[in-house]
Amino acid sequence: GEDVEQSLFLSVREGDSSVINCTYTDSSSTYLYWYKQEPGAGLQLLTYIFSNMDMKQDQRLTVLLNKKDKHLSLRIADTQTGDSAIYFCAERRNSGYALNFGKGTSLLVTP
Amino acid sequence: ETGVTQTPRHLVMGMTNKKSLKCEQHLGHNAMYWYKQSAKKPLELMFVYSLEERVENNSVPSRFSPECPNSSHLFLHLHTLQPEDSALYLCASSQPDRGGEKLFFGSGTQLSVL
Repeated sequence: GEDVEQSLFLSVREGDSSVINCTYTDSSSTYLYWYKQEPGAGLQLLTYIFSNMDMKQDQRLTVLLNKKDKHLSLRIADTQTGDSAIYFCAERRNSGYALNFGKGTSLLVTP
Repeated sequence: ETGVTQTPRHLVMGMTNKKSLKCEQHLGHNAMYWYKQSAKKPLELMFVYSLEERVENNSVPSRFSPECPNSSHLFLHLHTLQPEDSALYLCASSQPDRGGEKLFFGSGTQLSVL
């Protein structure tokens, strides 16, 4: 299909790891991104990965890319209540100017 | 603060009104975007401007009219909208670099059409 797919909700306990999964559409996509949206705010770029990489780590964030399956994941270690937000996966296709976004995964972190 | 400012933050308008959304970026980027965010739907790309020229228009109804007078400013002019146009309208800017086309978003204008 044409959609970037994400599960809609995820709930974790504070201190646990969170894993948010995404399936994208275009095997020739060059860059893949994770954005975070807090209530009443726009989207904030968290991290990105180039398609020739299979892993990228940035402090508490780990991005894994399985290009064969077109699967992207974001792992947040030691999840905090401040991590509660909506997380969007996005792909940069070879055609067109802008990014193709998923519907977002709402992450709820409980004490 | 992402360097992209949108005004107003909230807007309520009737179907016969004319209003404009404003976006300003302070990042020196050369591309600007309008996205529409509705509940339970993916972000919908509306318009893209690159170097002040419209390069993408995703079948948006003519009641939405963009304007990009310079590389720092982007407007979305609204007239005779429908209730289904109620949504969060997000502006973004970008500049190609080693990370591809990284978009920086404003906080959005929450639009309600009555």
